[in-house]
Amino acid sequence: QLQLQESGPGLVKPSETLSLTCTVSGGSISSSSYYWGWIRQPPGKGLEWIGSIYYSGSTYYNPSLKSRVTISVDTSKNQFSLKLSSVTAADTAVYYCATLIVGAPVYWGQGTLVTVSS
Amino acid sequence: DIVMTQTPLSSPVTLGQPASISCRSSQSLVHSDGNTYLSWLQQRPGQPPRLLIYKISNRFSGVPDRFSGSGAGTDFTLKISRVEAEDVGVYYCTQATQWTWTFGQGTKVEIK
Repeated sequence: QLQLQESGPGLVKPSETLSLTCTVSGGSISSSSYYWGWIRQPPGKGLEWIGSIYYSGSTYYNPSLKSRVTISVDTSKNQFSLKLSSVTAADTAVYYCATLIVGAPVYWGQGTLVTVSS
Repeated sequence: DIVMTQTPLSSPVTLGQPASISCRSSQSLVHSDGNTYLSWLQQRPGQPPRLLIYKISNRFSGVPDRFSGSGAGTDFTLKISRVEAEDVGVYYCTQATQWTWTFGQGTKVEIK
C-alpha cells in the first residue's frame, strides 16, 4: 500500500513562503489511478482542502487560497510539493498530504505542524 | 463550491449503543460518471484522518462492519451500530465529485 511522508520547515516567518514536500513510497506518483492532495488542519479545528494535482500536472486549488498556492509534482523523485506564499498566523496548521483514489482520500501522511511566527 | 453540513456536531454515546451522523451537501454529489464520491473519515485524537467509507456505502479495507454508510444525492448518513471505546474521535464527511474536495465541519463522538 502507499505510504506518504511530509517534510519541510516547522517554523515559517510571516510574509514568507511555506514549502512542504510529500514523498510517496509503495507506488508510483505517475499512476493514472491517483490524485494527490494537500489538506491542512489548524489547531483544534477541522480539515481544509488546499489543492490537488494529477501526475500530468493538472492542478485544482481551493478558491480561498488559490492566489497563494502552487502545487507541483516531481515524478523523478516520486514527490509532490506545496508552496503557500505570504503566510500569516492564520496559516498555522498541521499539513497533511493524501492520495485520492476512486474519489476517496485513501492514504494520508502523518502530518507536519507548521507554525507561522516571527 | 459544494458546502458539506454535518449534524450533530457533538454526539455523546453510551458504549454499546448506536450512533448516527448526517451529512448534507449544498448540491447533488452525483458525478457525470454516475458515481457519488462521498466518503467518511475518522480522526482519533492525535492521529491523521482514516478512511472508513467511500462512494457512500463501501467500507474500506479493515474497517469493522459496525460502520455503515447510506444516502443518495445530497443526504448521507454514517451509522455505528454499537459504539466501542476505540470509536471516540471526530468524524468527517468529504466529497470529491468535481476533483475539488470539501469537508464537513466534523462530528465529535464521545462516550457518555
